[in-house]
Amino acid sequence: DTGVSQNPRHKITKRGQNVTFRCDPISEHNRLYWYRQTLGQGPEFLTYFQNEAQLEKSRLLSDRFSAERPKGSFSTLEIQRTEQGDSAMYLCASSLETGELFFGEGSRLTVL
Amino acid sequence: AQSVSQHNHHVILSEAASLELGCNYSYGGTVNLFWYVQYPGQHLQLLLKYFSGDPLVKGIKGFEAEFIKSKFSFNLRKPSVQWSDTAEYFCAASLSGGYNKLIFGAGTRLAVHP
Repeated sequence: DTGVSQNPRHKITKRGQNVTFRCDPISEHNRLYWYRQTLGQGPEFLTYFQNEAQLEKSRLLSDRFSAERPKGSFSTLEIQRTEQGDSAMYLCASSLETGELFFGEGSRLTVL
Repeated sequence: AQSVSQHNHHVILSEAASLELGCNYSYGGTVNLFWYVQYPGQHLQLLLKYFSGDPLVKGIKGFEAEFIKSKFSFNLRKPSVQWSDTAEYFCAASLSGGYNKLIFGAGTRLAVHP
């Protein structure tokens, strides 16, 4: 499968623990995005990378959240000291410059 | 502020009925418009997109959408739905010439009964 790959697909953690999600974009895509989706809502933009540079961060991305894209390939999204309100589906997408985003299947976080 | 709104949160139809899902956007500039679909248990997939040109765009699986600039709308249509169209549909917009950051509507959950 040459689509966007995310793992783990599901993570259950206790409040206060740290979690990390990984995204492997489509190989030739230089643009990478993270979104968060909660029940009954559309995806909300979190952050954007062009190659290895993080060019925009949403105000939704508190200081407990950090994202990286070393070498402009895969990306990680880390959440420190998780809270119950962090429970959501975390989506990764990638694109070329032409505008269509390709989404992964998401990583579902449940914080107990 | 940039926003996308979808009028219907839940739609229930019988097979062969016609479908129209509303989408309005609020942007300060020229926009690119998209409809994405999410089938149960699957990832978001692009149905169709509008960048410029003919305001009536055709997508996959018989879907089409019409961009009406004066109404800031991009409604999705299908003349005859099938049970397999049961899914959640998301309208999205990005700023033309930007870096493709999509703003999504809240989605419309469509259930098609046989």
